[in-house]
Amino acid sequence: AQSVTQLGSHVSVSEGALVLLRCNYSSSVPPYLFWYVQYPNQGLQLLLKYTSAATLVKGINGFEAEFKKSETSFHLTKPSAHMSDAAEYFCAVSSMNSGYSTLTFGKGTMLLVSP
Amino acid sequence: NAGVTQTPKFQVLKTGQSMTLQCAQDMNHNSMYWYRQDPGMGLRLIYYSASEGTTDKGEVPNGYNVSRLNKREFSLRLESAAPSQTSVYFCASSKQGGGEKLFFGSGTQLSVL
Repeated sequence: AQSVTQLGSHVSVSEGALVLLRCNYSSSVPPYLFWYVQYPNQGLQLLLKYTSAATLVKGINGFEAEFKKSETSFHLTKPSAHMSDAAEYFCAVSSMNSGYSTLTFGKGTMLLVSP
Repeated sequence: NAGVTQTPKFQVLKTGQSMTLQCAQDMNHNSMYWYRQDPGMGLRLIYYSASEGTTDKGEVPNGYNVSRLNKREFSLRLESAAPSQTSVYFCASSKQGGGEKLFFGSGTQLSVL
């Protein structure tokens, strides 16, 4: 089964600093990859999705992620953090389950943004 | 559009009690899912329904049952609740499976005492 590993359960940055959230997947075949964001007391929302059309994927709110097959990585970045970016971020990979494809999520990384 | 609606938002149960979590989507999606979220564990798939009339087990199905009542509704039942089922439960839907975007409800916070 496919899996993703998110490095760091918590990441702290200052407002205006670079955001880097790390995700590595386990697969020899490039799968669908996703980043979702969860704001407090809400469900998850899609930030961006990799579909093999381009290795650099742009998402909402200024986030982007780069797919690197050689490193099996799909790290999420944003050039300049904003206070409103404070949330929990989940990397996810599509995974076959009884002939049907479902999403498998990482354990999440909480992004803390300080003034 | 309401999107994905879950009820209730909060519930406290005693060990051994039963309850059903309700989920409905108004986007005409074929696939629906139940996940549980626990601190430090991310989201884990309990059951899913690829299409109306079908259901399948996910990663952590023990202690749960589901019903795909129609295309809109997908319920999750705890027959005999246990403290280990204390969690936040999310329902989600997608047009199809796999590479499709998931739309999530706002969650049900369940405590089993």
